[in-house]
Amino acid sequence: GAGVSQSPSNKVTEKGKDVELRCDPISGHTALYWYRQRLGQGLEFLIYFQGNSAPDKSGLPSDRFSAERTGESVSTLTIQRTQQEDSAVYLCASSPTSISTDTQYFGPGTRLTVL
Amino acid sequence: GDSVTQMEGPVTLSEEAFLTINCTYTATGYPSLFWYVQYPGEGLQLLLKATKADDKGSNKGFEATYRKETTSFHLEKGSVQVSDSAVYFCALAASYQKVTFGTGTKLQVIP
Repeated sequence: GAGVSQSPSNKVTEKGKDVELRCDPISGHTALYWYRQRLGQGLEFLIYFQGNSAPDKSGLPSDRFSAERTGESVSTLTIQRTQQEDSAVYLCASSPTSISTDTQYFGPGTRLTVL
Repeated sequence: GDSVTQMEGPVTLSEEAFLTINCTYTATGYPSLFWYVQYPGEGLQLLLKATKADDKGSNKGFEATYRKETTSFHLEKGSVQVSDSAVYFCALAASYQKVTFGTGTKLQVIP
């Protein structure tokens, strides 16, 4: 079956512009996660959805970042007034449930470059 | 808070050499432990996992044992191949599966 998909695969934007990143999880997966991976660094947790609600937004770096999920399916991560330090690969993952033993399935990521 | 510490790379080995990538963790409770791998040009994928103390995860010749007494989950493979060249991430999930990742170890295997 289809895996996690993300779009766009690459996004180049100018500082100060808003960007929207999309994630399509595996069908039936109730949990969805967003991570950020800066060059040469590990993954940084941003936000987690269980269904359409976000119990943990603690990883969002600032109020310029927001995310939503609708219909227990697609999620969008929005970054307003982008800054150069937002340049990174943004990864989305989904899992069947949110219990700790479940495997997360990752999408290919969106590479964001802020000029 | 939860944290994962793994050995820094890059690690360069000759084909058929023995591989160890060290990983230690700090967490409350009883986390699940994972190794994820990122091959060049590909997305992150699960390599193996262990969900309770003394469990051994294994896949593709790689193994890691969940050691609660030493809070470790070291990755090992007896004979690496060129195709194992990738970045390896140790990770833990403590509660509702917020996963905490290590910084990654790049492995390069040369023929």
